Amino acid sequence: GAVVSQHPSWVICKSGTSVKIECRSLDFQATTMFWYRQFPKQSLMLMATSNEGSKATYEQGVEKDKFLINHASLTLSTLTVTSAHPEDSSFYICSARERSNSPLHFGNGTRLTVT
Amino acid sequence: AQTVTQSQPEMSVQEAETVTLSCTYDTSENNYYLFWYKQPPSRQMILVIRQEAYKQQNATENRFSVNFQKAAKSFSLKISDSQLGDTAMYFCAFMNLGQGGKLIFGQGTELSVKP
Repeated sequence: GAVVSQHPSWVICKSGTSVKIECRSLDFQATTMFWYRQFPKQSLMLMATSNEGSKATYEQGVEKDKFLINHASLTLSTLTVTSAHPEDSSFYICSARERSNSPLHFGNGTRLTVT
Repeated sequence: AQTVTQSQPEMSVQEAETVTLSCTYDTSENNYYLFWYKQPPSRQMILVIRQEAYKQQNATENRFSVNFQKAAKSFSLKISDSQLGDTAMYFCAFMNLGQGGKLIFGQGTELSVKP
């Protein structure tokens, strides 16, 4: 089946630094990718929708200047957490699909810890 | 805006027994999809079952089946012959194709299958 690879699986960074998370579709072309954030024991909250070659659409309350999303190719989207703070520590999950009615495939997630 | 509600934060069931997880949703749309996802401790999101709103017949996948009541906006998941490997968080999710196909998740139900 379709595979979405997310990297890194975990990362620790210091406050004030930036960290980039990659989401790759390995065997299909992902026209749309979604980024979610999940706190422990909570649900997945949609952060933004990213379409290849265009600007990401952010959900209400998500700071676009803090969470930079780039979807430069049909197989890669990146989420950069800029000037990270401890409250940004969370589990970030990407998902991708080929067409509007295609199934969504999820990456394995990235655990970000900001110290 | 669409909302998805799972009113059971935690449930437990004995191995080999049957359990039903509840989900209700709110939408004014007529063309949408509903999903149940499983998230084991590995945090990987696994699709359990999917239901198209235009289909009256309830979806079934082996031991998993749904009771889709469109008028009541209810979408419950029944797990038959529960197995220890079914222990996980279960999320109900809604997708409206007209809104870019983004998935909106419920709060989740933590299911424990006891030996």
